Amino acid sequence: EAQVTQNPRYLITVTGKKLTVTCSQNMNHEYMSWYRQDPGLGLRQIYYSMNVEVTDKGDVPEGYKVSRKEKRNFPLILESPSPNQTSLYFCASSLTVANTGELFFGEGSRLTVL
Amino acid sequence: KQEVTQIPAALSVPEGENLVLNCSFTDSAIYNLQWFRQDPGKGLTSLLLIQSSQREQTSGRLNASLDKSSGRSTLYIAASQPGDSATYLCAVRDDYKLSFGAGTTVTVRA
Repeated sequence: EAQVTQNPRYLITVTGKKLTVTCSQNMNHEYMSWYRQDPGLGLRQIYYSMNVEVTDKGDVPEGYKVSRKEKRNFPLILESPSPNQTSLYFCASSLTVANTGELFFGEGSRLTVL
Repeated sequence: KQEVTQIPAALSVPEGENLVLNCSFTDSAIYNLQWFRQDPGKGLTSLLLIQSSQREQTSGRLNASLDKSSGRSTLYIAASQPGDSATYLCAVRDDYKLSFGAGTTVTVRA
């Protein structure tokens, strides 16, 4: 089954404790992206990747890192999480970088930073 | 910077009524526009994708139109059902970024 898989789905952590949210897609998609969703602010793009080893900042990249060492994986790294990073995070992918492809989303990862 | 607006923020209709959801965007230089459905606490499910060269797309009871020159898209849902209750989001893609509206939360009353 074609899908985008995120882990963990739920996480409670403390300020400053590094964490990684993994994202994997099995559709051989070139483009992958991370978003956060906050009440009243909607979905905002954090980082995106056009292909292996090619990444760029979205609208709210501060406090996050990403890497794209393999085509299928695009982990989101929070080096020193803070309470303002408490949010619902989504990973998404699409087939090409031609910007015409349908975007597929993971189920989301709900992160709470205490 | 692309700004996407969805009006109304919430909508409640009786079962069987047609739904009309609006999406407007400020920069018409888009590659495509996608409509999504989101159930509470869940991920986003793609409903329809309209390329910039297209005027509309249809899937079952859903029809979405796109008027790029005026920066508007409309999602029509015919003969609404209680199962259509959800939040509907539109997103426009320009360059490599996707900009989302805040969504319209729909309640269909049985």
